[in-house]
Amino acid sequence: DAKTTQPTSMDCAEGRAANLPCNHSTISGNEYVYWYRQIHSQGPQYIIHGLKNNETNEMASLIITEDRKSSTLILPHATLRDTAVYYCIVRGNQGGSEKLVFGKGTKLTVNP
Amino acid sequence: DAGVTQSPTHLIKTRGQHVTLRCSPISGHKSVSWYQQVLGQGPQFIFQYYEKEERGRGNFPDRFSARQFPNYSSELNVNALLLGDSALYLCASSLTGAVGYTFGSGTRLTVV
Repeated sequence: DAKTTQPTSMDCAEGRAANLPCNHSTISGNEYVYWYRQIHSQGPQYIIHGLKNNETNEMASLIITEDRKSSTLILPHATLRDTAVYYCIVRGNQGGSEKLVFGKGTKLTVNP
Repeated sequence: DAGVTQSPTHLIKTRGQHVTLRCSPISGHKSVSWYQQVLGQGPQFIFQYYEKEERGRGNFPDRFSARQFPNYSSELNVNALLLGDSALYLCASSLTGAVGYTFGSGTRLTVV
């Protein structure tokens, strides 16, 4: 079962920041937070991941609360092409099966 | 650079038949995973292979099997197809399986 809780859907205006929340209150100390997105009819695309520090790359920023029980993915200037389902996933990185457990994600719609 | 390639992209099978899906990982990637995505749901983990060894198996019946070849490509086999096996089958590869996966665009299987 997925260890995360996300809103079912969100809307955002084009050019504005999209802030996607995720709750992961049962996260353990060695588990990372991963974000993927899936544009219609394509495979999921890796966005970013982090352990406890905030992370930024060319696609997005990831803000993790100090207690690590929640995080927010930020798309700083959303475009129409960012319309997709966004998945927040927690998993460890140490040996064994490194499967990803997907929930239903958040359907983000970017409006013109 | 070529991404993860899957074949075929679409196929239609009849109940009771057998199907083989194929995946070529990104060059140099030794870990391959398979996921099933039913319409409206997030992807569900089926198998992970690393260096030709099965590293993990999801909650799927024995009708599902897979293998990884010396060149790290992989096949997913499903026997005795059921209508409920209709789904998008996704393949993902990574260097070690510990960090971000790259997904292919999937094979859309329809069982009639």
